[in-house]
Amino acid sequence: DVKVTQSSRYLVKRTGEKVFLECVQDMDHENMFWYRQDPGLGLRLIYFSYDVKMKEKGDIPEGYSVSREKKERFSLILESASTNQTSMYLCASSIHRGRETQYFGPGTRLLVL
Amino acid sequence: GQQLNQSPQSMFIQEGEDVSMNCTSSSIFNTWLWYKQDPGEGPVLLIALYKAGELTSNGRLTAQFGITRKDSFLNISASIPSDVGIYFCAGPNTGANSKLTFGKGITLSVRP
Repeated sequence: DVKVTQSSRYLVKRTGEKVFLECVQDMDHENMFWYRQDPGLGLRLIYFSYDVKMKEKGDIPEGYSVSREKKERFSLILESASTNQTSMYLCASSIHRGRETQYFGPGTRLLVL
Repeated sequence: GQQLNQSPQSMFIQEGEDVSMNCTSSSIFNTWLWYKQDPGEGPVLLIALYKAGELTSNGRLTAQFGITRKDSFLNISASIPSDVGIYFCAGPNTGANSKLTFGKGITLSVRP
């Protein structure tokens, strides 16, 4: 079974703090994705990565950055957290380009005060 | 861009009933994916469909890849309380970039 894990299930941070969300997959997948999920807006893609040290912007990259130093790990960074970044963050992975089925982690619910 | 439409936003059914959901698009998709998200959890893949007309079952769930390739259907038979959650359809974006387009999801409630 594919396993995607996220470092925290719940996180509370203050405005202006730097926040790191970690995601690890154990199936040697090439592709990794970060989404945020908000009521009424569905899943929105923040950033994705096809390979180590490679990243591409998704639909809503503003206020976020990412890092992929190892194939199994994809980090989402909020450089200076703001209250409008309070959300559910979901990480996903898929095998490689052309195989689109994505497998999701359990999510991190982030509250920015 | 591509869009996947799911409606209504919420459905309320009685335990034991069957329920059907559909997902439509103005664009052609070559793969249809159905996910379920339990409250507070990440989406879990239920069924993947790769061929027009394909009908695939997973326990009490059955999904079909529409013959026009612009729609897909998910049926749940004999619903039980643990069927509650959000059901998403998804399909790959055009081009070989591995990104998915997601529907907004349908929230299913099951009354005991």
